[in-house]
Amino acid sequence: DTGVSQNPRHKITKRGQNVTFRCDPISEHNRLYWYRQTLGQGPEFLTYFQNEAQLEKSRLLSDRFSAERPKGSFSTLEIQRTEQGDSAMYLCASSSRPDPLYGYTFGSGTRLTVV
Amino acid sequence: QQPVQSPQAVILREGEDAVINCSSSKALYSVHWYRQKHGEAPVFLMILLKGGEQKGHDKISASFNEKKQQSSLYLTASQLSYSGTYFCGTEKDYGGSQGNLIFGKGTKLSVKP
Repeated sequence: DTGVSQNPRHKITKRGQNVTFRCDPISEHNRLYWYRQTLGQGPEFLTYFQNEAQLEKSRLLSDRFSAERPKGSFSTLEIQRTEQGDSAMYLCASSSRPDPLYGYTFGSGTRLTVV
Repeated sequence: QQPVQSPQAVILREGEDAVINCSSSKALYSVHWYRQKHGEAPVFLMILLKGGEQKGHDKISASFNEKKQQSSLYLTASQLSYSGTYFCGTEKDYGGSQGNLIFGKGTKLSVKP
């Protein structure tokens, strides 16, 4: 298994455009998480899935953000009408919960720059 | 609610010890510890479940005080490779493992030769 894969690695977009990121988790992991991280801060929770069901979404998350995980495999995170404040590293992680022993495996992230 | 980590930063010489603390105001089911090096993804170190279990591998260990909702990460005889930012991630107790992790702001550890 090659771990958690995220694409693209970098994305530069103009303010107001829509962007979509993809995450391919470790195949046997049933949980998938999206986080956002800005410089000098810890990962900020966005949303997570168990199989194809979206179980929780951050209350701080704008309606411009939406995520899907069709068929419980890969996931996409879409940001509509991007703003400069959306510039950040978007991290995807997966885990095999409820087995708690192995924690989260993070992908390398997608760095979004909104200009 | 975001857990509070302390200290914010630590500078050590090789071979010195360090303790990083993480506290929460909520009842916790688990505490995770991760290390992130500059420009890389966070890497899982260990998980502690409620029950006050202490875990460790090599020279890195951790404890979880369920009564105080506090966890501590212990790094002994530090090596240059220990440098990075350490994050605790806490999972609220919903009566089992059902939630997601909320991460602290991190503790930046620098180990000098």
